[in-house]
Amino acid sequence: ETGVTQSPTHLIKTRGQQVTLRCSSQSGHNTVSWYQQALGQGPQFIFQYYREEENGRGNFPPRFSGLQFPNYSSELNVNALELDDSALYLCASRPQLSLAGAAGELFFGEGSRLTVL
Amino acid sequence: GESVGLHLPTLSVQEGDNSIINCAYSNSASDYFIWYKQESGKGPQFIIDIRSNMDKRQGQRVTVLLNKTVKHLSLQIAATQPGDSAVYFCAEARGALTGGGNKLTFGTGTQLKVEL
Repeated sequence: ETGVTQSPTHLIKTRGQQVTLRCSSQSGHNTVSWYQQALGQGPQFIFQYYREEENGRGNFPPRFSGLQFPNYSSELNVNALELDDSALYLCASRPQLSLAGAAGELFFGEGSRLTVL
Repeated sequence: GESVGLHLPTLSVQEGDNSIINCAYSNSASDYFIWYKQESGKGPQFIIDIRSNMDKRQGQRVTVLLNKTVKHLSLQIAATQPGDSAVYFCAEARGALTGGGNKLTFGTGTQLKVEL
């Protein structure tokens, strides 16, 4: 149990639509990042938020955007969905430095599986 | 370039045997190397990490070895159990994962199958 919950668990969209995925982290986890995991592949970093500001982005276009809220929840928004956006989207959080355990530990949710038709 | 890769996509072991999962990396600037386990239908779960200035670290039933000369990382699981069946990913990171704009770069993964 990581304390990170994501919703919805599964959803189906059609090409061109928009989607919002949600994540709720543990209290005190002020860093949240989003990953895209295609079938049979490792997770790929989309972006990271720290204290409600984006402070790192992977190789994803601007139609992937996010928000982080003061209550340790966050959103991933994807506009103009494409077929290749079909994947498992993972949210991962990390506590503030004073509460951190292992340096390499992120707490992942179970993901939202998006299918684009 | 920046990449983390695995040697074998699937590893089958007998219950009770030791498992060794290998990983090659290309980025000499990595500060941390991390192993994650992902069971079917779940998110990745942290197993163990190792800083780049170390060559060995042990946890409960697991040992990670780092060979910076050949840019190779391995995860050893002692007395493998059926509950160890999962996909194992190595990942690398530069800098602390808290606060800064850092990320994990994951490899493709190795499927570990434990046979009874």
